[in-house]
Formats: sequence, structure tokens, C-alpha cells
Amino acid sequence: SQTIHQWPATLVQPVGSPLSLECTVEGTSNPNLYWYRQAAGRGLQLLFYSVGIGQISSEVPQNLSASRPQDRQFILSSKKLLLSDSGFYLCAWRQRTGILGTEAFFGQGTRLTVV
Amino acid sequence: DQQVKQNSPSLSVQEGRISILNCDYTNSMFDYFLWYKKYPAEGPTFLISISSIKDKNEDGRFTVFLNKSAKHLSLHIVPSQPGDSAVYFCAASYTSGTYKYIFGTGTRLKVLA
Repeated sequence: SQTIHQWPATLVQPVGSPLSLECTVEGTSNPNLYWYRQAAGRGLQLLFYSVGIGQISSEVPQNLSASRPQDRQFILSSKKLLLSDSGFYLCAWRQRTGILGTEAFFGQGTRLTVV
Repeated sequence: DQQVKQNSPSLSVQEGRISILNCDYTNSMFDYFLWYKKYPAEGPTFLISISSIKDKNEDGRFTVFLNKSAKHLSLHIVPSQPGDSAVYFCAASYTSGTYKYIFGTGTRLKVLA
């Protein structure tokens, strides 16, 4: 069966510090991968998605970047965190199949607080 | 521009009654729709989905209805249980191309015992 791992679960970082959140998927190959953010009292905002190694699409201009160094690894980074980067970050994956329409599966999330 | 909207931020329902959660979308290119349930500090879990070629999909207590002409979908939970209390997100996607999932802002459902 497929599983998704996301860490750390919580993180408190000072303004101006770097960030690296990691997500890995097991039990599947060549998945689509996604990073979402849920800000306080808001919905799930798509930040980045990837359809393959080294292929990253950015949805919103921001202080963050994403990379996919391996097929089942997705990393969210920042060189210098801002207060507005605080939120709940979620990694998700979707199986790439010939079936039209499938669901995405989410990790447990990382609560990032920038102080 | 919010392409997927959930206009009711919260909903309270008595246990055993029907819960109806609504969602509207603006992009007619969306052809696959999903509902997720989310508890605090956890990732969303998939509940039920519907393709644009259908107008209804049922799975146990959960039924999703799609009205393409109105660009509207709804989730019915019957009967509602206290364990259903959570935030529900609707999402829209394309079955070809980018495979992005666009989420609404969520509706907090509280089922009262």
C-alpha cells in the first residue's frame, strides 16, 4: 500500500531563517506531488505541483520554492522566512494512471510558526 | 480569483438529521470534483468524488450531487453523526493536463448529540 511521510510535524523558526520541509511517498512510482498551505481560518492554497523529477510548477508568487530531486521526494524551501509564511503545510500525492479522475492523498502536515 | 467557493463557513446539525454542504465553482473546464474531511492538525482525508459525466454518486451515508449547469455541487450526509464533526473541503480538478486540485475555503460542520 502507498504511504506519504511528511516531517517535521511542528516547527518554530525565527524570521529570516531558512526552511526545509520534506515529503516522501512510498509504494508508488512517478506520482504527481503537491504542496498546499492552509493559513489560519483559510482554505487550502496550492503552492507548487510536480509531474516528474525536476519539474516544478509554481501557483503563486511567494517567498518559497520547491524541488523534486527524486521521483518520490518533494521538498519545500525558503532562504529567509517571513512572518506571513506561518501556516499549516500539506504535501499530497496523486497516482498517475490511465484512469480519468483520481483523488489526491495528503500527509499529516507541518505546522510552521515564524516568530 | 476564488474558482471554488464554499459560502457557508459553518453549519450545525442535530445528530440523525441530514447535513448538506454546498460548493460552487466558476471554471467550466473542471471535470472532476471531490470532497475531503479534515480534523484539526491533520491532513485532509478523501471522502467521495464525482465525475462531470455523472450527476450523483453515493457511498454509504455520503452522497455527492453535481449540477453542471449551475456549476454547483453538494455533499449530503445522512444520518449525521457526532464523529462527522470536522471541516469539509470541496475540490475541483481536471482529468487531463495539469491535474491540479483547487480547493474551497471549507465548511465547519458540527453535529450536535
